[in-house]
Amino acid sequence: EDQVTQSPEALRLQEGESSSLNCSYTVSGLRGLFWYRQDPGKGPEFLFTLYSAGEEKEKERLKATLTKKESFLHITAPKPEDSATYLCAVQGSRGGSEKLVFGKGTKLTVNP
Amino acid sequence: EPEVTQTPSHQVTQMGQEVILRCVPISNHLYFYWYRQILGQKVEFLVSFYNNEISEKSEIFDDQFSVERPDGSNFTLKIRSTKLEDSAMYFCASSERRTPYEQYFGPGTRLTVT
Repeated sequence: EDQVTQSPEALRLQEGESSSLNCSYTVSGLRGLFWYRQDPGKGPEFLFTLYSAGEEKEKERLKATLTKKESFLHITAPKPEDSATYLCAVQGSRGGSEKLVFGKGTKLTVNP
Repeated sequence: EPEVTQTPSHQVTQMGQEVILRCVPISNHLYFYWYRQILGQKVEFLVSFYNNEISEKSEIFDDQFSVERPDGSNFTLKIRSTKLEDSAMYFCASSERRTPYEQYFGPGTRLTVT
């Protein structure tokens, strides 16, 4: 069964204090790893897709990287508006499944 | 920017009642999904739908659940006889292409079963 574990569960940063969020996964044949941002009471907002180990993607202050067992979301010089829960999800190849399997997320709070 | 929309934003119903949650996926998308998130828990897959058929469903998606695309724009989730444990946020998602491709989520419907 595909599984995703995210750490830490919660992270508090000062504005400008860079850090990384971790997503460890076990999956039978990774087809894609996805990062989403979720604000309270809202739906997940797509950020990145990574397909193979060594791949990196960037968007503003966010950079996602992928290895064979985990992915990192690096946040450089965060601002208060980056406060949200960041979700990691995987799509495995078992049976041609289309479902995303999510982790519980990391709740990021950036203080001004 | 195109987005997935869902109605209603909040639905309160009594146990045993039927509810229909509605979604309008992004217009050129062909693959549709329902997920749910119980408060404080992970987002969980319910069902995927393509070409007017269910392509995959989870163990959660039992006979009490059904999905339909009644016209060219709407995608609905029906729960026939709601239970207290059905209380959750229900998210509709759509994708332009088949896996692995990003799925775009709607804002959700909060279902409260009393």
